[in-house]
Amino acid sequence: KNEVEQSPQNLTAQEGEFITINCSYSVGISALHWLQQHPGGGIVSLFMLSSGKKKHGRLIATINIQEKHSSLHITASHPRDSAVYICAVGKMGQKLVFGQGTRLTINP
Amino acid sequence: DTEVTQTPKHLVMGMTNKKSLKCEQHMGHRAMYWYKQKAKKPPELMFVYSYEKLSINESVPSRFSPECPNSSLLNLHLHALQPEDSALYLCASSPSGLAGSTDTQYFGPGTRLTVL
Repeated sequence: KNEVEQSPQNLTAQEGEFITINCSYSVGISALHWLQQHPGGGIVSLFMLSSGKKKHGRLIATINIQEKHSSLHITASHPRDSAVYICAVGKMGQKLVFGQGTRLTINP
Repeated sequence: DTEVTQTPKHLVMGMTNKKSLKCEQHMGHRAMYWYKQKAKKPPELMFVYSYEKLSINESVPSRFSPECPNSSLLNLHLHALQPEDSALYLCASSPSGLAGSTDTQYFGPGTRLTVL
């Protein structure tokens, strides 16, 4: 069993829908990251969380440390949100452990 | 300047060639990373430099040789690679020298390497 599990692996939705991507982890962590990777390669860091909730534009990330679970929400989804979303966790001074990613496709 | 740049964008090399990948950041970040990413897989950490010193080497074969000439530059020297080394090579940097997972990492666009 991977230390970081994401669900779903693939998600297709219509423009405007509310999107939720989940991440569960089995190890103690200092921080959890949500990353976005568009086709072509570049990775963008969306959020780093150690507790609670963060919001940036249409993106919201939450984390429940007790349940070892995080969610990434996208409101009013748009085709440009189509990308792979990666959850990664770790402890201070240690490398990140990555989930397998969720491939999101938003159709117009 | 708030970006990490990587050159070249694409590289095709034979198994006997020697080539280098270059990464540069001018954000004053004290940790720099090399990752390897195969198609439809998450990035795999190769090396971490913290304050220009190699702090993590994830048991990478010696045909990959990292170098950090100064705090802004990171190179990856390639020699005698195998076709299975074909992948996207990503560089990243993070502000503190703790080189760990409590720092936001800023990624470059990557170099897509093909080994023939």
